[in-house]
Amino acid sequence: RKEVEQDPGPFNVPEGATVAFNCTYSNSASQSFFWYRQDCRKEPKLLMSVYSSGNEDGRFTAQLNRASQYISLLIRDSKLSDSATYLCVVKVDSNYQLIWGAGTKLIIKP
Amino acid sequence: DARVTQTPRHKVTEMGQEVTMRCQPILGHNTVFWYRQTMMQGLELLAYFRNRAPLDDSGMPKDRFSAEMPDATLATLKIQPSEPRDSAVYFCASGLSPDTQYFGPGTRLTVL
Repeated sequence: RKEVEQDPGPFNVPEGATVAFNCTYSNSASQSFFWYRQDCRKEPKLLMSVYSSGNEDGRFTAQLNRASQYISLLIRDSKLSDSATYLCVVKVDSNYQLIWGAGTKLIIKP
Repeated sequence: DARVTQTPRHKVTEMGQEVTMRCQPILGHNTVFWYRQTMMQGLELLAYFRNRAPLDDSGMPKDRFSAEMPDATLATLKIQPSEPRDSAVYFCASGLSPDTQYFGPGTRLTVL
């Protein structure tokens, strides 16, 4: 079993719709969680950190469920520019390493 | 707007040749990571530096890969000799801590 697992997609979603995807992690000692976004043929960029209480940044909401060991990303009112691969990242605080998921590809269609 | 820079952006070489990739981290950042990304494996950590000291290079094939930071403004990743299976995008990332990493644009390497 991979340490961080994501549905690879692609998720094909009409513009304006709400889309959500999850990421599961295997190490219960994981303490820090992040979502990165990677556009086609570009570098990953930090989208948002995921806090225990959940957090929201505009149309994006991230949630953490420690009991079930997953994090989620919700995108409301999706835009064409949201098309990208979303990478789930997990860190065990005793270690410097970020454990990267393989990414979920999102395609927003007009 | 400070950015991580990487050179070259693209490299095509023949098997057996030496490849050197360079990275200039964002000024003031004391952590530097080298990653490799392929369709099959996703992002793989190759090396990690903090304050220019290599803390982890366990992800690198030791016999052919080497990573160094000759100074705070330059990190290098060398492959010698290169093999077709090394074809990938190599990213450098820097940050003030491992939590928040700023990636460079990557070097797209093709080994024929």
